[in-house]
Order: sequence, then structure tokens, then C-alpha cells
Amino acid sequence: DSGVTQTPKHLITATGQRVTLRCSPRSGDLSVYWYQQSLDQGLQFLIQYYNGEERAKGNILERFSAQQFPDLHSELNLSSLELGDSALYFCASSDPGTGGAFSYGYTFGSGTRLTVV
Amino acid sequence: EDQVTQSPEALRLQEGESSSLNCSYTVSGLRGLFWYRQDPGKGPEFLFTLYSAGEEKEKERLKATLTKKESFLHITAPKPEDSATYLCAVTLGAGNMLTFGGGTRLMVKP
Repeated sequence: DSGVTQTPKHLITATGQRVTLRCSPRSGDLSVYWYQQSLDQGLQFLIQYYNGEERAKGNILERFSAQQFPDLHSELNLSSLELGDSALYFCASSDPGTGGAFSYGYTFGSGTRLTVV
Repeated sequence: EDQVTQSPEALRLQEGESSSLNCSYTVSGLRGLFWYRQDPGKGPEFLFTLYSAGEEKEKERLKATLTKKESFLHITAPKPEDSATYLCAVTLGAGNMLTFGGGTRLMVKP
């Protein structure tokens, strides 16, 4: 157990639907990062939150949004789903403010496998 | 454009056959280079962070090195349990997010 909890582990849904993926970071970590991993694209950075505020944005589609709550858990919302959105979605956490990210790396959760049918 | 490229894409080794994985990068303002191991269906697991050219780090059969343009992950006398995908990533910019290479899938046969 890495300390980063992602739910659900698996999700199957139809095209056009909306889903929410949840991530609880490791205790004490203020930053949450969302990544998408598909077979042909590798691990792609989507978005980062730090202590409730958006810090950086990557290749995140307009149909996708995220937020980080006061208790530091984060949710990634995916809407108007398409077949191409099928992928593994990972959450990672770190606390760059104390240098932890560089000493101990970013801690990844076990991911949510999303299948759009 | 910042890029991270890993080679080879796949590598088959016999148990005990040492080899190296390559990660080359063309980025400005590198703050750190990371190596991760990923098993199928699982999240990446942190191995090493390297900060500056000439730095080396070791863990069991793995040794990571860094130059100004590339990093190597040397695997000495690998075992079947070392089979996994090895990912290289760099951090740059204010957000500290990781930019990953495509990975090297390592298969070690007994």
C-alpha cells in the first residue's frame, strides 16, 4: 500500500456518460497530480492541485475537470465520455514544500481503470 | 519542445545477463530526473531521483547514472522478479509535475 488511495479500481461506462474518480493523497502531502495512461500515449500529465488550488495544467481536455477539497482529497470528473478516454487514470501525491518530492519521489496510487463502451 | 525518450522499448534478458536502459532528455531547466518501476496494472513505484550530471545512485541490482543529456539504469545480474516496465521522468517548471518517457519493458527469463 503506497498510502495514496484511488477509488474505484475499475469503472465501465457508456459513451456520453460522466464519471468521477477519487483520490486520497498520502498523509501530509499537499500536492495531488492526475495522470492518464493509455497504451499508445504512455503516462500523460493532466493537472496538479496544491493545497486546494490549481497549480499546473497539462494535456487535460475541456471535458475533464478536477478539484481538491479542504481535506486534500481530489476528484477528477470526466464528462461526455468517448471510447478514446478508456485508460488507466493515476493519482500521485507529494509535498514539494519540504523537498519530499525530490527525496522520496511522487507516490502513485494503484489507479482507476476506465473502460468506455 | 521538452522531450524524454527511452530506449529500447523492450528488452529481453536471460537471468544474470547484465544490461542498461537509456533515457535521453532535451529539456531546459531540469530540476530532477526520476526512475520508476511499474508492474502491469499497478501504479509506478519510485526508484531514484538524480539531480546533477555525474550523480549515481544504487539500489540492490539497479544503478542509475546521469549526464547532461541522458540517464542510464544499469541492471546487474537481473532476476525474473526484475521484469517490469521502467519509466524515466523529469521535473521542470513551477508545478513540479513529472514528464514521462515511453518506458522500457524489461523481461528477464530464468
